[in-house]
Amino acid sequence: GENVEQHPSTLSVQEGDSAVIKCTYSDSASNYFPWYKQELGKRPQLIIDIRSNVGEKKDQRIAVTLNKTAKHFSLHITETQPEDSAVYFCAASRGHNAGNMLTFGGGTRLMVKP
Amino acid sequence: ETGVTQTPRHLVMGMTNKKSLKCEQHLGHNAMYWYKQSAKKPLELMFVYSLEERVENNSVPSRFSPECPNSSHLFLHLHTLQPEDSALYLCASSQDQPNTGELFFGEGSRLTVL
Repeated sequence: GENVEQHPSTLSVQEGDSAVIKCTYSDSASNYFPWYKQELGKRPQLIIDIRSNVGEKKDQRIAVTLNKTAKHFSLHITETQPEDSAVYFCAASRGHNAGNMLTFGGGTRLMVKP
Repeated sequence: ETGVTQTPRHLVMGMTNKKSLKCEQHLGHNAMYWYKQSAKKPLELMFVYSLEERVENNSVPSRFSPECPNSSHLFLHLHTLQPEDSALYLCASSQDQPNTGELFFGEGSRLTVL
């Protein structure tokens, strides 16, 4: 089955700096890669996703890049703000329906210091 | 009520008790999930139901028994649990279509097994 590794497990940055979280996956058939953000005491929520037919996707201050050859993808957050502090989870699956299960990485706790 | 709601939010039970967790989604989705969140495995898939049929049972011990009576409700029946089963149990739903695989999570049920 799929195995997703996520690094780093914790990341501390100064407000305004950029943050990068990296994930690798093992199943070359995976083609859907979402990122979820979980604030303290709250539910995980989808913030951005990418499919294998594109190499990069941006949404305001966040971007995700995908390298299918190397089987890794990354989340980039620019101009970090204190409200970006949360645990971020990457995930991978062969598709985006219930028959193709998402495998999550171990999570990255991002702390943005004001 | 909107989104995905879970009850109870907190539950303390002894190892010989029988209890149930309830999840209800008000999004019109046709797939529902149980995830276990703990420090050891941050987001671990337990069960998936698509169109009220179980499509995944991720090697979960039989002391956890899911039930999906209709597309809006999902239960997790608990009996003779172990202390290591203490965790946050998250319910999620999605629309099983090619458009998006976004998971909508509930707030979770925090379970403590004494």
